[in-house]
Amino acid sequence: QVTLKESGPVLVKPTETLTLTCTVSGFSLSNARMGVSWIRQPPGKALEWLAHIFSNDEKSYSTSLKSRLTISKDTSKSQVVLTMTNMDPVDTATYYCARMGGWKHFDYWGQGTLVTVSS
Amino acid sequence: QSVLTQPPSVSGAPGQRVTISCTGSSSNIGAGYDVHWYQQLPGTAPKLLIYGNSNRPSGVPDRFSGSKSGTSASLAITGLQAEDEADYYCQSYDSSLGYVFGTGTKVTVL
Repeated sequence: QVTLKESGPVLVKPTETLTLTCTVSGFSLSNARMGVSWIRQPPGKALEWLAHIFSNDEKSYSTSLKSRLTISKDTSKSQVVLTMTNMDPVDTATYYCARMGGWKHFDYWGQGTLVTVSS
Repeated sequence: QSVLTQPPSVSGAPGQRVTISCTGSSSNIGAGYDVHWYQQLPGTAPKLLIYGNSNRPSGVPDRFSGSKSGTSASLAITGLQAEDEADYYCQSYDSSLGYVFGTGTKVTVL
C-alpha cells in the first residue's frame, strides 16, 4: 500500500525558512522511477507545483520559486525534504507531496499539511 | 499564474452530462504532453481521476472520461451524481515551466 505523509511546522514567521518532510511507504525512493514532487495550494486557490526529485537524484524546480527552494531525499529513511527560504504570508498554503507515475501524473498524494506564515 | 485555463464553475442536474475544458498552449498541451485530471473533494487531497489524457485508474467509475485535441483537453462526467460535487484540476507539463496545473473548476450538482 503506497502512502505519503507530510510533516513540518504549522506556523512560521516571515523571513524564516520552512522545512517540510515527506515520509513515504509502500515504494522505494531509489526505484520510484518518476520520483516525488511537492505541490502547494493556498486557501481557496489552485494547485501549484513546486519541486520534483527523481530516483537518480535529478531535481527540477518551479521557475518562479527556484531561488527559494531546495529538494532532497534520504532513501534510507524513505523521506523527501523541501526547504523554502524567506517565507512570506503569501506562502500560506496546504503543502502536499505526491508520487509521480510513468505518464508524468501524480498517482498518490499525501494528506497535506497547512502552513501559516504570520508574525 | 496557472498556464492551463479552466472555467471557474460548471453545474448540472443529477443524471446530466457536464464537460470541463482545459486550454493550454504550444509549450504544454499543444507540444504533445499528456493531460491528467484530479478530483478534490472539500477538505481533502486531490485524487487522480484520469491519466494519459483518457486512462482511468482502477476504481474510477467509467462515468468519467477524458480527451485531448490540439492545445486543449476535456473531462466529461456523464450521469452526474451528488458525490461528484468537487473541484477538478487538469495537469500537464510545460517545456518552460515544468509541471503545471489548471486554474480549477468547481462542479455543482443542482
